[in-house]
Amino acid sequence: DTGVSQNPRHKITKRGQNVTFRCDPISEHNRLYWYRQTLGQGPEFLTYFQNEAQLEKSRLLSDRFSAERPKGSFSTLEIQRTEQGDSAMYLCASSLGGELYEQYFGPGTRLTVT
Amino acid sequence: RKEVEQDPGPFNVPEGATVAFNCTYSNSASQSFFWYRQDCRKEPKLLMSVYSSGNEDGRFTAQLNRASQYISLLIRDSKLSDSATYLCVVTLRGNQFYFGTGTSLTVIP
Repeated sequence: DTGVSQNPRHKITKRGQNVTFRCDPISEHNRLYWYRQTLGQGPEFLTYFQNEAQLEKSRLLSDRFSAERPKGSFSTLEIQRTEQGDSAMYLCASSLGGELYEQYFGPGTRLTVT
Repeated sequence: RKEVEQDPGPFNVPEGATVAFNCTYSNSASQSFFWYRQDCRKEPKLLMSVYSSGNEDGRFTAQLNRASQYISLLIRDSKLSDSATYLCVVTLRGNQFYFGTGTSLTVIP
């Protein structure tokens, strides 16, 4: 399978715990995006990387959230001190370049904070 | 104010019908426009880009009106397999992609 993969697919955690998600983009894609989607809403942009550089972060991304893409390949999204409001589907997407290029989405990681 | 507004629907139409969705965007500096499709419990997938002159892909036609800041999607001869949520997407500064809430379509036999 050469598509975007995300792990884990589901995560249940207790409030206050830290969680980390991983995204493996399509190998030749240099752009990688993170989104959050809640029921009945479209994906909300969180952040994106051009290779290993994190170039933009949404104001939605509080200081409890951090993302990395250390070697310009896979990326991780960590949420510290999780809150119930963090419960959502976290989607990763990758593309060959900028806005004119199609984004390919992974299946997402569904986070439930109890 | 949200960057992108869509009528969430739901739209329930019979097979063979023509259905149209509209989407408005708030920032006149928005640069690129797309329609994505999202099936239930699946990830979004690109349906089509939207070009200034309008564009067609089979039964699907997309239009852009920059003066009024809206884009539209027309689906002709609806199929059962068209049932999905259709997401309007605009980009700003080429970096941030803003998705609408999506419009739900159910095509009824």
